[in-house]
Amino acid sequence: AQSVTQLGSHVSVSEGALVLLRCNYSSSVPPYLFWYVQYPNQGLQLLLKYTSAATLVKGINGFEAEFKKSETSFHLTKPSAHMSDAAEYFCAVGVSGGGADGLTFGKGTHLIIQP
Amino acid sequence: KAGVTQTPRYLIKTRGQQVTLSCSPISGHRSVSWYQQTPGQGLQFLFEYFSETQRNKGNFPGRFSGRQFSNSRSEMNVSTLELGDSALYLCASSPRGGLADTQYFGPGTRLTVL
Repeated sequence: AQSVTQLGSHVSVSEGALVLLRCNYSSSVPPYLFWYVQYPNQGLQLLLKYTSAATLVKGINGFEAEFKKSETSFHLTKPSAHMSDAAEYFCAVGVSGGGADGLTFGKGTHLIIQP
Repeated sequence: KAGVTQTPRYLIKTRGQQVTLSCSPISGHRSVSWYQQTPGQGLQFLFEYFSETQRNKGNFPGRFSGRQFSNSRSEMNVSTLELGDSALYLCASSPRGGLADTQYFGPGTRLTVL
């Protein structure tokens, strides 16, 4: 079975600073990897996804993530944080087969932006 | 295109009752997945429906069931509610299902069990 670990339930950065949200996964087969964002009282919105093409994936709102197989990581970054980036971020992994092809999510990281 | 809609948005029930939640996918999407979100367990996959058939199922008891209609709308039912069923229930749709497809999430139904 696959699993996802997001390091840090809360991350605080200053506006304009680098955003780095960490995600490590475990999977016995090549995975699909996703980052979602959730704003209060809303559903999840896809930021970006890795599906075995380029290892550096660019997403919406200036976010990107790099797939590193040797480190089993898929960290999310943004060069310059904006106040509107404050939200909950979820990393998710999906593998095919086994009758449960739904995504497995990490516990989430709450991103706080300091003015 | 209209997004994924879920009704109702908020629901309060008591233990032992049953509840039905509804999800209308984006037009043209044939796959609908359901997830449960709680503070303790986070986001967990319940099941996926495609063309009126349950194609995938997560690790939840049989009290959780669902169905999909010919217009791709889906309902989720929870029988004999327990306090631990209090959660945000999210529905997601995609054109074909499968992991390479992008899932679009609705705003969720917040269920409170008293």
